[in-house]
Order: sequence, then C-alpha cells, then structure tokens
Amino acid sequence: DQQVKQNSPSLSVQEGRISILNCDYTNSMFDYFLWYKKYPAEGPTFLISISSIKDKNEDGRFTVFLNKSAKHLSLHIVPSQPGDSAVYFCAASAYSGAGSYQLTFGKGTKLSVIP
Amino acid sequence: DGGITQSPKYLFRKEGQNVTLSCEQNLNHDAMYWYRQDPGQGLRLIYYSQIVNDFQKGDIAEGYSVSREKKESFPLTVTSAQKNPTAFYLCASSSLAGLGDTQYFGPGTRLTVL
Repeated sequence: DQQVKQNSPSLSVQEGRISILNCDYTNSMFDYFLWYKKYPAEGPTFLISISSIKDKNEDGRFTVFLNKSAKHLSLHIVPSQPGDSAVYFCAASAYSGAGSYQLTFGKGTKLSVIP
Repeated sequence: DGGITQSPKYLFRKEGQNVTLSCEQNLNHDAMYWYRQDPGQGLRLIYYSQIVNDFQKGDIAEGYSVSREKKESFPLTVTSAQKNPTAFYLCASSSLAGLGDTQYFGPGTRLTVL
C-alpha cells in the first residue's frame, strides 16, 4: 500500500513557465514533508520542506504548498529553468518511536524543462 | 567540507558473493540510513541506525546486514541471500535534532551482480 503517491511519472514544461509537481499521502500521522531533486546516477538533493503546522513554505523559485485536509502537497517552480530537469521525489516523515523519524518516498516525477 | 561519501561509485560482483558498500559522513549526524532504488521506483529503506552499536531493519532488510561501530561509518553488506541485489544503493544521514527528519544523501553506489 503506497502511502505517498506521485501520480504523474513525468511532466514537460516550457522554460520560464511554472512547473507544478503534485504529491498525495494517505497516512495522517505524517507531520513533515520534503521534496528532493535527483539527477541520474546521483544521490537525491534536499530541496525544500514543510511542517504540518504550515500551509506554505517558500525558498527562492521553489514553493511548497500543503493542504492537510486533502492530504495533498505540491511543489511550484517559478520560473522553470532547463537545469531544473530532474526527477523530483516527495517524501513524508512520521515519528516512529525512540526519537526516530522515518521517511516514506513517492516514486518520483521526471520533470523536463524545454528551452 | 562536510558531506557523505560512498564508495565505490560502481561495483560489479559475481552471483553468490557477499559485497560491502561503504558509507562515511563527517556531518556529526546521529542517524544513518541505507536505501535501495530500482528503476521507476521510489527509495526503499533497508536499514537505519540512530546511535552507535544499534540499528533497526527497514522495509526490505532481508539479504542485507549492517554494522555501526563508529558514528561516522555505516557499511552495508549485500549477502548472497539477497535475491535481486542489482540496484542503486543510497546512504543518508540526519541529525535527529528536532521535529521532522531532513536526511542528506551520498552520491550512491551502483551495484551490478553478474
């Protein structure tokens, strides 16, 4: 049972336009959400996160929105640049006891920004 | 220059051989993790450790073993019991300093079993 879902395997966007990547989750115990960017044959790079007590977090061109009632979050990239082309993973964190948090990852969305 | 290093980048082994993947971090992080990524899949947790000399199984621990003798190091052994060992292996670490758990990843090791 997939607790974190990224329903779009791929997304193509024109350079300069907005990219919107979506993520849905089912576990109401998740209280911290992260987005990672990954290039082929490299480790994921942390991009931005949001706590469940907020509904928006912004960092430069990247904004994450959280809708707790809908169990939905999205990552907006404005303006999109060719260097943003990568696979984006959504991850959710829940407390798993003894001071430990575990991340559950979606399967990723491959973003292609077309020059 | 702090970070997480994994070696080697590419590793080839014959079927039936055990192989150990290295992961070292100099971020002074308490927790370390091993994940596996397969094509078209997300990251799946193999093992994690919050403290030296202690570790817990993740979702897919069968066929793998780990040790945590030092805070900086968390090697992963892929044993011959792992039925599909060919994959991209990622090591991560986090500080466990507060709410949430931002994990930082190494560059990964691509293991191919022939």
